[in-house]
Amino acid sequence: DTGVSQNPRHKITKRGQNVTFRCDPISEHNRLYWYRQTLGQGPEFLTYFQNEAQLEKSRLLSDRFSAERPKGSFSTLEIQRTEQGDSAMYLCASSRDRGSGAEAFFGQGTRLTVV
Amino acid sequence: QQQVKQSPQSLIVQKGGISIINCAYENTAFDYFPWYQQFPGKGPALLIAIRPDVSEKKEGRFTISFNKSAKQFSLHIMDSQPGDSATYFCAASNQFYFGTGTSLTVIP
Repeated sequence: DTGVSQNPRHKITKRGQNVTFRCDPISEHNRLYWYRQTLGQGPEFLTYFQNEAQLEKSRLLSDRFSAERPKGSFSTLEIQRTEQGDSAMYLCASSRDRGSGAEAFFGQGTRLTVV
Repeated sequence: QQQVKQSPQSLIVQKGGISIINCAYENTAFDYFPWYQQFPGKGPALLIAIRPDVSEKKEGRFTISFNKSAKQFSLHIMDSQPGDSATYFCAASNQFYFGTGTSLTVIP
């Protein structure tokens, strides 16, 4: 399967714990995006990378959130000291860099439940 | 601040009917307007997209109508089928801003 892969698919954690999610983009895509989606809402942009550079970060992303994309390949999203409000689906997408309009392909997401 | 406003929140259409979903945006710098389809448990998948230099784009049963002066665009699904039942999202400016989604149900 050459699509965007996200792991784990589901994560249940206790409030206050740290969690890390991984995204493997389509191999030739140099743009990678992270989103958060809650029930009944559209994806909310969190951050995006062009190769290994983090070019934009939403003001919705608190200091407890950090994302990395070492070597411009896979990416990780870490949430520290999780809160119940962090419970959501976390989506990753990747695209080619052809300026605006490059089609983004989404992974199936990681569903986080904070108890 | 919602960059892209989408309506209706839900839509029920008879099989064979036309489904219409509307979106409006504020930022005139936006230059790419995709529509995504999402099934339960799956990530969104690109359905069709348009740039503001054209007023309409059609791909099969799916058509985007774009009104640059009104800053509005809409998705029309012709001959709606039960398999079209899903949540649809409009978006703007690459993949940065999404609407709140429309849950479409097509009744056989």
